[in-house]
Amino acid sequence: NAGVTQTPKFHILKIGQSMTLQCTQDMNHNYMYWYRQDPGMGLKLIYYSVGAGITDKGEVPNGYNVSRSTTEDFPLRLELAAPSQTSVYFCASSRDRGYGYTFGSGTRLTVV
Amino acid sequence: GQQLNQSPQSMFIQEGEDVSMNCTSSSIFNTWLWYKQDPGEGPVLLIALYKAGELTSNGRLTAQFGITRKDSFLNISASIPSDVGIYFCAGQNSGGSNYKLTFGKGTLLTVNP
Repeated sequence: NAGVTQTPKFHILKIGQSMTLQCTQDMNHNYMYWYRQDPGMGLKLIYYSVGAGITDKGEVPNGYNVSRSTTEDFPLRLELAAPSQTSVYFCASSRDRGYGYTFGSGTRLTVV
Repeated sequence: GQQLNQSPQSMFIQEGEDVSMNCTSSSIFNTWLWYKQDPGEGPVLLIALYKAGELTSNGRLTAQFGITRKDSFLNISASIPSDVGIYFCAGQNSGGSNYKLTFGKGTLLTVNP
């Protein structure tokens, strides 16, 4: 079982560039989430989805976009990268509300 | 929004010692979860608590769901070097639309062999 797979593991992006962080899960989970983790700040929710075709903003959505065309995939898009978006990004999924999350191993992004 | 205060922020202990960390919230939760994050990896679920007053163990780990539903603690007994990592508490309300996890800022645990 692969669980939640994130790609790439590392990336360096120039200011103003765009990129998509990929996330896919093979557990047929309805709920998927994107978090960013900054040192000493815990995990902040960027966007989440309760099923294919349904997405909603989390706590820190500015500068990001998401789509959920299939149950398996939940890509995160950065349109105009800024240094403040330097962070470690985690994708997670859960079977339903009330269940714990399964996390991917993260994407470490540096914007220079 | 809901806030979780997790303490301590960091701990430096000797191998074999017991560890205790806790989380308090400004509002109640239906579920408390404890995660561990190893360096370079995503958080992994350790223990899930679903009922106020519940005490659950997973090997050397024991966690409790506070009876007020606003707090939880995690104990690690007889620590070993592989216990090193960041421990996160998380609270969740499974009713209505407010079911997302709220995370504490983490406790960084260092174990000296």
